[in-house]
Amino acid sequence: DVKVTQSSRYLVKRTGEKVFLECVQDMDHENMFWYRQDPGLGLRLIYFSYDVKMKEKGDIPEGYSVSREKKERFSLILESASTNQTSMYLCASSFAGNPYEQYFGPGTRLTVT
Amino acid sequence: AQKVTQAQTEISVVEKEDVTLDCVYETRDTTYYLFWYKQPPSGELVFLIRRNSFDEQNEISGRYSWNFQKSTSSFNFTITASQVVDSAVYFCALSEAGGTDKLIFGTGTRLQVFP
Repeated sequence: DVKVTQSSRYLVKRTGEKVFLECVQDMDHENMFWYRQDPGLGLRLIYFSYDVKMKEKGDIPEGYSVSREKKERFSLILESASTNQTSMYLCASSFAGNPYEQYFGPGTRLTVT
Repeated sequence: AQKVTQAQTEISVVEKEDVTLDCVYETRDTTYYLFWYKQPPSGELVFLIRRNSFDEQNEISGRYSWNFQKSTSSFNFTITASQVVDSAVYFCALSEAGGTDKLIFGTGTRLQVFP
């Protein structure tokens, strides 16, 4: 079974803090993705990575950065958290080529106060 | 540009009713893939189906069925004899072949099945 794990289910941070969200997959997938989910907006892609150290901006990259030093791990970084980054963050992974289904982690609900 | 529209924000049904969730997509490509995902209250999205643009055959899996119609750019999802466990948010998504494997998601339809 594909397993995608995220470091926290719930996180509360203060405005201005640096926040790290970690995602690990165990299926040797090339692709990894970070989304945020907000009511009425569906899932929006923040960043994705198709290989180690490779990354591409998604639709809403502003205020975020990512890191992929190992194939199985993809980190999302909020350099200086703001209240408008309060959201559900979902990580996903998939094989590359021929768009394959993405497998999702359980999500991290981040609250920035 | 790619776009996925799920016009139904929320649907409520009583158990054993049939329910259809609509999905309309836009793309300029001739080769693309369509997906449906289920997000139960626990939060984790679960993959349901992947269909490529060359395969217009309808698909049935137990109580679930999918109707793909290129003429109307729709990929609708029907649950027959709904059950309380079907209560979830359902997302339709689109990806173009030969691209970056990104998915474009619709805004989702919340289905509530009451006993």
